[in-house]
Amino acid sequence: AQTVTQSQPEMSVQEAETVTLSCTYDTSESNYYLFWYKQPPSRQMILVIRQEAYKQQNATENRFSVNFQKAAKSFSLKISDSQLGDTAMYFCAFMSNTGNQFYFGTGTSLTVIP
Amino acid sequence: DAGVIQSPRHEVTEMGQEVTLRCKPISGHDYLFWYRQTMMRGLELLIYFNNNVPIDDSGMPEDRFSAKMPNASFSTLKIQPSEPRDSAVYFCATSDWSSYNEQFFGPGTRLTVL
Repeated sequence: AQTVTQSQPEMSVQEAETVTLSCTYDTSESNYYLFWYKQPPSRQMILVIRQEAYKQQNATENRFSVNFQKAAKSFSLKISDSQLGDTAMYFCAFMSNTGNQFYFGTGTSLTVIP
Repeated sequence: DAGVIQSPRHEVTEMGQEVTLRCKPISGHDYLFWYRQTMMRGLELLIYFNNNVPIDDSGMPEDRFSAKMPNASFSTLKIQPSEPRDSAVYFCATSDWSSYNEQFFGPGTRLTVL
């Protein structure tokens, strides 16, 4: 079974600063997909960024980027120029290429401090 | 498209009552997932459907839980009888291959069983 670990239950960052959220996973598969989802206080789950394992280039979406280390099975999320609206729970998720089931980590609660 | 629609948004019921949660997927999406979110257990996949057929229900906690998808535009998750430990937020999510495996989440139903 696949497992996803987020070792930082809570983090905080000053507005306009940069923060990195960690995620590691365990799998024996060579091709898969990784995601970061954001859940603000409204509780709506929103996709932040996705990465396909066969792509070596790290995904980037505006202020959000990932550091994907396939050999280390690590998938961290970097948020640059943090904004108050970034305050939320962030979930890392794994999806096998052979199925559609997501495996979620336990989440990291991020607070952006004005 | 209006996105994934869930109803009700909030449900308060008494122990022993039947509860039915509803989900309308995004048109054209052929995968539908039911999740439960609690502080203790995080996000848990309960069951998912492909083309209205249940594929994996191994996450359904016990026989009190049942899910159906009678057609491509509607799914229900039923709990009968409900218990206080069923209190949680229940999410419905849908996807298709053209969305590059992104799961689109509904706003969730917050269930409280007294």
